[in-house]
Amino acid sequence: EPEVTQTPSHQVTQMGQEVILRCVPISNHLYFYWYRQILGQKVEFLVSFYNNEISEKSEIFDDQFSVERPDGSNFTLKIRSTKLEDSAMYFCASRTGTGTDTQYFGPGTRLTVL
Amino acid sequence: DAKTTQPPSMDCAEGRAANLPCNHSTISGNEYVYWYRQIHSQGPQYIIHGLKNNETNEMASLIITEDRKSSTLILPHATLRDTAVYYCIVRVAGGAGNMLTFGGGTRLMVKP
Repeated sequence: EPEVTQTPSHQVTQMGQEVILRCVPISNHLYFYWYRQILGQKVEFLVSFYNNEISEKSEIFDDQFSVERPDGSNFTLKIRSTKLEDSAMYFCASRTGTGTDTQYFGPGTRLTVL
Repeated sequence: DAKTTQPPSMDCAEGRAANLPCNHSTISGNEYVYWYRQIHSQGPQYIIHGLKNNETNEMASLIITEDRKSSTLILPHATLRDTAVYYCIVRVAGGAGNMLTFGGGTRLMVKP
């Protein structure tokens, strides 16, 4: 069964450093998402991406964040200058945009900012 | 999207059916009911969804009331591996954005 994959599974970085989290969505999916979950808190929406542009973003997704689909398979989330409060699990998700249109999630990347 | 209300926690004995309720009294006619679960800190896992008819798949059954204001997710024979947080989410299908809004969910503890 096709699945969303994410790398790395765990990223440790120093405050102020740039990080790039990578996702490979399911191959025939057209809509892509990033969510995050701070330890012990709810899963929160960050951004949605369709047709090579952001379609929606939350208040969390400020100028420090950017997303890109650099080729036909990868979908990346970049945090330019990490803060301690960016420490969280980051989940990528994708959906087809047709039919039952279910969002499928990847296993997540645990980001630890020291 | 309509809001949902779920009990914060439930227990279930292993091998018994787990019935997880969800209230969505402000659901619109074009909104689906989706269920996901999250085991520990893993990515949310899709379970099942429905519009107005009851649905069943290999994981669970979804019972939606006739007025669509509430639903119940049924895990017919719960195992220890079903211990997780279960989320009930209502949303329309399709559209460019259409993110999922997660609430607190129900923490299901399956006990031996």
